[in-house]
Amino acid sequence: DARVTQTPRHKVTEMGQEVTMRCQPILGHNTVFWYRQTMMQGLELLAYFRNRAPLDDSGMPKDRFSAEMPDATLATLKIQPSEPRDSAVYFCASAQRDATYEQYFGPGTRLTVT
Amino acid sequence: GENVEQHPSTLSVQEGDSAVIKCTYSDSASNYFPWYKQELGKGPQLIIDIRSNVGEKKDQRIAVTLNKTAKHFSLHITETQPEDSAVYFCAALGYSSASKIIFGSGTRLSIRP
Repeated sequence: DARVTQTPRHKVTEMGQEVTMRCQPILGHNTVFWYRQTMMQGLELLAYFRNRAPLDDSGMPKDRFSAEMPDATLATLKIQPSEPRDSAVYFCASAQRDATYEQYFGPGTRLTVT
Repeated sequence: GENVEQHPSTLSVQEGDSAVIKCTYSDSASNYFPWYKQELGKGPQLIIDIRSNVGEKKDQRIAVTLNKTAKHFSLHITETQPEDSAVYFCAALGYSSASKIIFGSGTRLSIRP
């Protein structure tokens, strides 16, 4: 049963600290997305990659957020320094772009910045 | 860019009745319209999708309709059951936006026993 995995599932940190969230896409999927979900803004696309290359990160605050794909099995989203307004659930999703548009979402990382 | 509006934001229906959620989109070039269901504590999961060359698609108790002229699409759930309670998101993929799917704001559906 192939699925997207994310770690950690929960993270509580103090303002100013660095936060790193990790995602393992489904094997064989070549497109990876990072979303942020809040009550006020709903689901926002932060960035996405195809074949490990960043295609669009226009939704991401670039002064503190960065997203990378060191290899095909790992995507990371970093926040440095973190702020209380970053508190949200962060989802990773993957897709096999050439076959379907369907995105498979991971379980999310719930981030709380105090 | 694409904008997707979704209504209602909350919906409560009696078990066994039907539920309808409606969405409108702004980009006339959009050609793919998925619907996602999100249960508490989980990520969204695709439940049905429709492409612009089709007006209606059905999968058991779930159906989606698309009106390209009016730029709106709807999700219909018949014979609702308690496990249908969740947040539902519509979305649209614009032809000009590569893989960038824009999500609606979500509808919280509650099924009353």
